[in-house]
Amino acid sequence: EPEVTQTPSHQVTQMGQEVILRCVPISNHLYFYWYRQILGQKVEFLVSFYNNEISEKSEIFDDQFSVERPDGSNFTLKIRSTKLEDSAMYFCASSVRGVGSPLHFGNGTRLTVT
Amino acid sequence: DQQVKQNSPSLSVQEGRISILNCDYTNSMFDYFLWYKKYPAEGPTFLISISSIKDKNEDGRFTVFLNKSAKHLSLHIVPSQPGDSAVYFCAVYRNNNAGNMLTFGGGTRLMVKP
Repeated sequence: EPEVTQTPSHQVTQMGQEVILRCVPISNHLYFYWYRQILGQKVEFLVSFYNNEISEKSEIFDDQFSVERPDGSNFTLKIRSTKLEDSAMYFCASSVRGVGSPLHFGNGTRLTVT
Repeated sequence: DQQVKQNSPSLSVQEGRISILNCDYTNSMFDYFLWYKKYPAEGPTFLISISSIKDKNEDGRFTVFLNKSAKHLSLHIVPSQPGDSAVYFCAVYRNNNAGNMLTFGGGTRLMVKP
């Protein structure tokens, strides 16, 4: 069964550094997402992406965050200047259609900011 | 943000018995509901969904019930198996959500004892 793949599985970075988290969504999916889960807390929506543009973003997704689909397969999340509170599991997801279509998640990237 | 609540952080069930996981939501604009299962070090895996025009959806051992008047959703697993031990999240879509944002509950950890 096709799956969403994320790299790296674990990223350690120093506060203030830039990080790029990478995702390869399922190939025939059209909608792409980033979610995150801080340890012990809920899975939180960050951003959705469709037709090469952001369709919705949460309050968490401030100017320090950006997303890009640089080619036909990759979907990236960039954090420009990491903060300690950015430490979390970051999940990429994709879906075939919009509302009502289940999201398929990758196994996540654990980001640790020191 | 308490729009979606799972009031039981954990549930322990004997193998072969029924597991009932509950979820409450506050916004009547939600109209599509999903359950996800999550194992440690993996992303959420889609289990089953239901739209607001139905009150029950069944898939093998998993049945989801929706009570719109009570704004309550439940997942029944019968019979429960040790491999079902995981964290279960309910998630909801808004019906006017152009960005296809899922809102997750806080999760319930299910332990199925052999």
